[in-house]
Amino acid sequence: AQTVTQSQPEMSVQEAETVTLSCTYDTSENNYYLFWYKQPPSRQMILVIRQEAYKQQNATENRFSVNFQKAAKSFSLKISDSQLGDTAMYFCAFMKHGSNYQLIWGAGTKLIIKP
Amino acid sequence: EPEVTQTPSHQVTQMGQEVILRCVPISNHLYFYWYRQILGQKVEFLVSFYNNEISEKSEIFDDQFSVERPDGSNFTLKIRSTKLEDSAMYFCASSGAGEDEQYFGPGTRLTVT
Repeated sequence: AQTVTQSQPEMSVQEAETVTLSCTYDTSENNYYLFWYKQPPSRQMILVIRQEAYKQQNATENRFSVNFQKAAKSFSLKISDSQLGDTAMYFCAFMKHGSNYQLIWGAGTKLIIKP
Repeated sequence: EPEVTQTPSHQVTQMGQEVILRCVPISNHLYFYWYRQILGQKVEFLVSFYNNEISEKSEIFDDQFSVERPDGSNFTLKIRSTKLEDSAMYFCASSGAGEDEQYFGPGTRLTVT
Protein backbone atom coordinates (compact mmCIF):
# COMPACT_ATOMS: atom_id res chain seq x y z
CA ALA A 1 0.00 0.00 0.00
CA GLN A 2 1.07 3.52 -0.68
CA THR A 3 1.70 6.02 2.11
CA VAL A 4 2.48 9.72 2.09
CA THR A 5 4.33 11.44 4.93
CA GLN A 6 4.60 15.13 5.66
CA SER A 7 6.92 15.58 8.60
CA GLN A 8 6.33 19.28 9.22
CA PRO A 9 2.99 19.91 10.96
CA GLU A 10 3.48 23.68 10.89
CA MET A 11 5.86 26.23 9.40
CA SER A 12 5.97 29.98 9.41
CA VAL A 13 8.06 32.41 7.39
CA GLN A 14 8.17 36.12 6.73
CA GLU A 15 6.52 37.51 3.65
CA ALA A 16 8.79 37.46 0.58
CA GLU A 17 10.94 34.64 1.97
CA THR A 18 11.31 31.25 0.32
CA VAL A 19 9.95 28.20 2.07
CA THR A 20 10.22 24.49 1.34
CA LEU A 21 7.65 21.93 2.44
CA SER A 22 8.70 18.30 2.67
CA CYS A 23 6.91 15.21 1.48
CA THR A 24 8.04 11.62 1.25
CA TYR A 25 6.09 8.67 0.01
CA ASP A 26 6.34 4.94 -0.12
CA THR A 27 5.33 2.89 -3.13
CA SER A 28 6.45 -0.07 -5.17
CA GLU A 29 4.91 1.43 -8.29
CA ASN A 30 7.03 2.87 -11.08
CA ASN A 31 4.41 5.05 -12.73
CA TYR A 32 2.43 7.47 -10.62
CA TYR A 33 1.53 11.08 -10.10
CA LEU A 34 2.28 13.42 -7.23
CA PHE A 35 0.37 16.52 -6.29
CA TRP A 36 0.48 19.46 -3.93
CA TYR A 37 -2.89 20.84 -2.93
CA LYS A 38 -3.52 24.03 -0.98
CA GLN A 39 -6.40 24.36 1.47
CA PRO A 40 -6.89 27.97 2.58
CA PRO A 41 -9.17 28.88 5.50
CA SER A 42 -12.11 28.74 3.10
CA ARG A 43 -11.36 24.97 3.11
CA GLN A 44 -11.60 24.42 -0.66
CA MET A 45 -8.81 22.21 -2.01
CA ILE A 46 -6.90 23.89 -4.81
CA LEU A 47 -4.30 22.16 -6.94
CA VAL A 48 -0.94 23.90 -6.70
CA ILE A 49 1.26 21.67 -8.81
CA ARG A 50 1.43 18.19 -10.32
CA GLN A 51 4.33 15.92 -11.24
CA GLU A 52 4.34 12.81 -13.40
CA ALA A 53 6.82 10.27 -12.09
CA TYR A 54 8.07 9.40 -15.56
CA LYS A 55 9.19 13.00 -16.13
CA GLN A 56 12.62 13.80 -14.82
CA GLN A 57 12.10 17.54 -15.11
CA ASN A 58 10.74 19.15 -11.98
CA ALA A 59 7.36 20.82 -12.38
CA THR A 60 7.09 24.56 -11.90
CA GLU A 61 4.10 26.86 -11.72
CA ASN A 62 5.01 30.52 -11.29
CA ARG A 63 6.36 30.90 -7.71
CA PHE A 64 5.82 27.22 -6.96
CA SER A 65 8.27 24.51 -7.88
CA VAL A 66 8.99 20.98 -6.78
CA ASN A 67 12.12 18.98 -6.12
CA PHE A 68 11.19 15.47 -7.21
CA GLN A 69 13.70 12.82 -6.21
CA LYS A 70 12.27 9.53 -7.46
CA ALA A 71 14.94 7.27 -6.02
CA ALA A 72 14.62 8.88 -2.62
CA LYS A 73 10.80 9.00 -2.93
CA SER A 74 10.83 12.64 -2.02
CA PHE A 75 8.63 15.40 -3.40
CA SER A 76 9.19 18.79 -1.77
CA LEU A 77 7.42 22.02 -2.62
CA LYS A 78 9.27 25.30 -2.81
CA ILE A 79 7.38 28.56 -2.60
CA SER A 80 9.41 31.57 -3.67
CA ASP A 81 8.66 35.17 -2.74
CA SER A 82 5.96 34.01 -0.33
CA GLN A 83 2.82 36.10 -0.06
CA LEU A 84 0.23 36.52 2.69
CA GLY A 85 -2.26 34.70 0.48
CA ASP A 86 -0.08 31.61 0.59
CA THR A 87 -1.14 31.05 4.20
CA ALA A 88 -2.95 27.70 4.12
CA MET A 89 -2.70 23.99 4.78
CA TYR A 90 -0.64 22.25 2.13
CA PHE A 91 -1.25 18.61 1.33
CA CYS A 92 0.95 16.27 -0.63
CA ALA A 93 -0.93 13.51 -2.47
CA PHE A 94 -0.12 10.41 -4.50
CA MET A 95 -2.02 8.75 -7.31
CA LYS A 96 -1.13 5.41 -8.85
CA HIS A 97 -1.05 5.36 -12.65
CA GLY A 98 -3.80 3.45 -14.41
CA SER A 99 -5.73 2.62 -11.28
CA ASN A 100 -8.92 3.80 -9.69
CA TYR A 101 -7.48 7.33 -9.49
CA GLN A 102 -7.89 7.75 -5.80
CA LEU A 103 -5.65 10.30 -4.15
CA ILE A 104 -3.68 9.18 -1.11
CA TRP A 105 -2.94 12.09 1.16
CA GLY A 106 -0.32 13.24 3.60
CA ALA A 107 -1.31 14.75 6.93
CA GLY A 108 -0.65 18.29 5.73
CA THR A 109 1.59 21.17 6.70
CA LYS A 110 0.11 24.37 8.06
CA LEU A 111 2.01 27.26 6.47
CA ILE A 112 1.77 30.72 7.97
CA ILE A 113 3.15 33.71 6.11
CA LYS A 114 3.84 36.58 8.49
CA PRO A 115 3.72 40.22 7.36
CA GLU B 1 -14.55 29.32 -14.50
CA PRO B 2 -16.46 26.07 -13.93
CA GLU B 3 -16.45 24.81 -10.39
CA VAL B 4 -17.70 21.96 -8.26
CA THR B 5 -20.46 22.95 -5.87
CA GLN B 6 -21.69 21.20 -2.75
CA THR B 7 -24.79 21.59 -0.62
CA PRO B 8 -25.37 22.07 2.20
CA SER B 9 -22.25 23.73 3.53
CA HIS B 10 -23.05 22.48 7.02
CA GLN B 11 -25.39 19.70 8.09
CA VAL B 12 -26.21 18.81 11.65
CA THR B 13 -28.00 15.53 12.23
CA GLN B 14 -28.78 13.17 15.05
CA MET B 15 -27.15 9.79 15.35
CA GLY B 16 -29.08 7.16 13.43
CA GLN B 17 -30.57 9.60 10.93
CA GLU B 18 -30.02 9.43 7.20
CA VAL B 19 -28.26 12.27 5.42
CA ILE B 20 -27.73 13.05 1.77
CA LEU B 21 -24.85 15.23 0.73
CA ARG B 22 -25.15 16.79 -2.68
CA CYS B 23 -22.56 17.74 -5.25
CA VAL B 24 -22.74 19.22 -8.72
CA PRO B 25 -19.54 18.26 -10.56
CA ILE B 26 -18.13 20.21 -13.48
CA SER B 27 -20.47 19.54 -16.37
CA ASN B 28 -18.18 17.77 -18.85
CA HIS B 29 -16.35 15.70 -16.26
CA LEU B 30 -16.68 11.94 -16.25
CA TYR B 31 -15.07 10.85 -12.99
CA PHE B 32 -16.46 11.65 -9.58
CA TYR B 33 -15.12 11.14 -6.09
CA TRP B 34 -15.97 11.54 -2.44
CA TYR B 35 -13.35 12.13 0.21
CA ARG B 36 -13.70 12.92 3.88
CA GLN B 37 -11.53 14.71 6.39
CA ILE B 38 -12.14 14.12 10.06
CA LEU B 39 -10.99 17.16 12.05
CA GLY B 40 -7.25 17.01 12.61
CA GLN B 41 -6.79 13.90 10.49
CA LYS B 42 -5.76 13.06 6.95
CA VAL B 43 -8.05 13.36 3.98
CA GLU B 44 -9.38 9.89 3.20
CA PHE B 45 -10.69 8.48 -0.06
CA LEU B 46 -14.21 7.08 0.12
CA VAL B 47 -15.33 6.20 -3.38
CA SER B 48 -14.82 6.85 -7.07
CA PHE B 49 -17.60 6.72 -9.65
CA TYR B 50 -17.43 6.40 -13.42
CA ASN B 51 -19.90 5.45 -16.12
CA ASN B 52 -22.74 5.29 -13.62
CA GLU B 53 -21.11 2.82 -11.33
CA ILE B 54 -18.66 2.65 -8.47
CA SER B 55 -15.16 2.02 -9.80
CA GLU B 56 -13.44 1.80 -6.41
CA LYS B 57 -14.34 2.14 -2.78
CA SER B 58 -12.33 2.19 0.39
CA GLU B 59 -12.80 0.16 3.55
CA ILE B 60 -14.56 3.14 5.07
CA PHE B 61 -17.28 2.96 2.42
CA ASP B 62 -19.32 0.22 4.04
CA ASP B 63 -22.97 -0.71 3.58
CA GLN B 64 -24.22 2.43 5.27
CA PHE B 65 -22.82 4.54 2.44
CA SER B 66 -24.14 4.81 -1.09
CA VAL B 67 -23.62 7.11 -4.05
CA GLU B 68 -25.84 8.03 -6.91
CA ARG B 69 -25.92 10.21 -9.98
CA PRO B 70 -29.69 10.60 -10.19
CA ASP B 71 -30.10 13.09 -13.01
CA GLY B 72 -26.87 13.51 -14.96
CA SER B 73 -25.80 16.60 -13.07
CA ASN B 74 -25.97 15.83 -9.35
CA PHE B 75 -23.74 13.36 -7.53
CA THR B 76 -24.92 12.40 -4.08
CA LEU B 77 -23.50 10.63 -1.06
CA LYS B 78 -26.02 9.02 1.26
CA ILE B 79 -25.20 7.89 4.76
CA ARG B 80 -28.03 5.63 5.84
CA SER B 81 -27.68 5.62 9.63
CA THR B 82 -25.20 8.18 10.82
CA LYS B 83 -22.78 7.54 13.66
CA LEU B 84 -20.87 10.00 15.80
CA GLU B 85 -17.67 9.03 14.00
CA ASP B 86 -19.14 10.12 10.66
CA SER B 87 -18.67 13.73 11.76
CA ALA B 88 -16.24 15.14 9.23
CA MET B 89 -15.80 17.41 6.27
CA TYR B 90 -16.94 15.66 3.10
CA PHE B 91 -15.42 16.74 -0.19
CA CYS B 92 -16.71 15.96 -3.62
CA ALA B 93 -14.33 16.08 -6.58
CA SER B 94 -14.54 15.54 -10.31
CA SER B 95 -12.10 15.10 -13.16
CA GLY B 96 -12.35 14.98 -16.92
CA ALA B 97 -10.24 11.87 -17.26
CA GLY B 98 -9.05 9.55 -14.56
CA GLU B 99 -5.57 10.94 -14.30
CA ASP B 100 -6.49 14.56 -14.80
CA GLU B 101 -6.55 17.11 -12.01
CA GLN B 102 -9.34 16.51 -9.55
CA TYR B 103 -11.36 19.64 -8.91
CA PHE B 104 -12.76 19.87 -5.42
CA GLY B 105 -15.91 21.36 -4.06
CA PRO B 106 -15.90 23.53 -0.94
CA GLY B 107 -17.00 20.65 1.25
CA THR B 108 -19.93 19.84 3.51
CA ARG B 109 -19.28 19.83 7.22
CA LEU B 110 -21.32 17.03 8.74
CA THR B 111 -21.88 17.10 12.47
CA VAL B 112 -23.53 14.08 14.05
CA THR B 113 -24.85 14.62 17.57
